[in-house]
Amino acid sequence: DVVMTQSPLSLPVTLGQPASISCRSSQSLVYSDGNTYLNWFQQRPGQSPRRLIYKVSNRDSGVPDRFSGSGSGTDFTLKISRVEAEDVGIYYCMQGTSITFGQGTRLEIK
Amino acid sequence: QVQLVESGGGVVQPGGSLRLSCAASGFTFSTYGMHWVRQAPGKGLEWVAFIRYNGSSKYYADSVKGRFTISRDNSKNTLYLQMNSLRTEDTAVYYCAKGRSDFDPWGQGTLVTVSS
Repeated sequence: DVVMTQSPLSLPVTLGQPASISCRSSQSLVYSDGNTYLNWFQQRPGQSPRRLIYKVSNRDSGVPDRFSGSGSGTDFTLKISRVEAEDVGIYYCMQGTSITFGQGTRLEIK
Repeated sequence: QVQLVESGGGVVQPGGSLRLSCAASGFTFSTYGMHWVRQAPGKGLEWVAFIRYNGSSKYYADSVKGRFTISRDNSKNTLYLQMNSLRTEDTAVYYCAKGRSDFDPWGQGTLVTVSS
C-alpha cells in the first residue's frame, strides 16, 4: 500500500502569515498515463471535506488564490500565502491511484 | 449544481446490518465512478469502497472486505453501501464522493454508530 505521510500534524499560524504543509508518499505517484493524482482537501470544523487542489497544482473553482500546490514524484506541498481565519481546519493529502489519505494537518490560529 | 446526499445511518448493535444510500443530482451519475469514505469520531479519513461507473468492478478496503458491499442503481442516480456484521470499530461518519480520482464533491455524511 502507498503510505502518505504529512507534516507537521499541528500547525499554529498567525493571521496574515504563510503556512506550508508537506506530504510525502512511500512510492512515486506518477501514474501510467503520465498524470500525478495527488489531491489536497480542507475540512473545516463540522463540515465535509472539500477539495482544494487536484493533480498536484490545479486549484478548484472558488478556491482562493492564496492556496497553491506543488511537488512531484513523492514529495508534495500545500502552501497558503497569507492565512485567514476561515482557513482553520484539517488539511489532508490523498493519492488517487490506489486511494490513501495522509493523517491530516490541523491548522489553527496562533 | 452537483449534489450528493447520504442517508440511512443510525444506531445498530454489533453484528447487525445497515444500508446506506447516496442520492446524486446535478451530473450524469451513470458516467462516474463513486467512492465511500468514512471518518471515525475525532479521526482521519479512511477510504472504504469504490465502484466503477457501470458497476462492473468494485474495490474494498481490507478492513471491510467480505462484510460490506457497494452497489449502484444508475436508473435512480443512487449509490449504496450494504454493511453487514458490523463492529464497534465501524462507528463513523460515512461520506460518498464523486469520481475515480476526483473526490469532488463529497456529501454531508451520515453517522453510523455501532454499539450495544
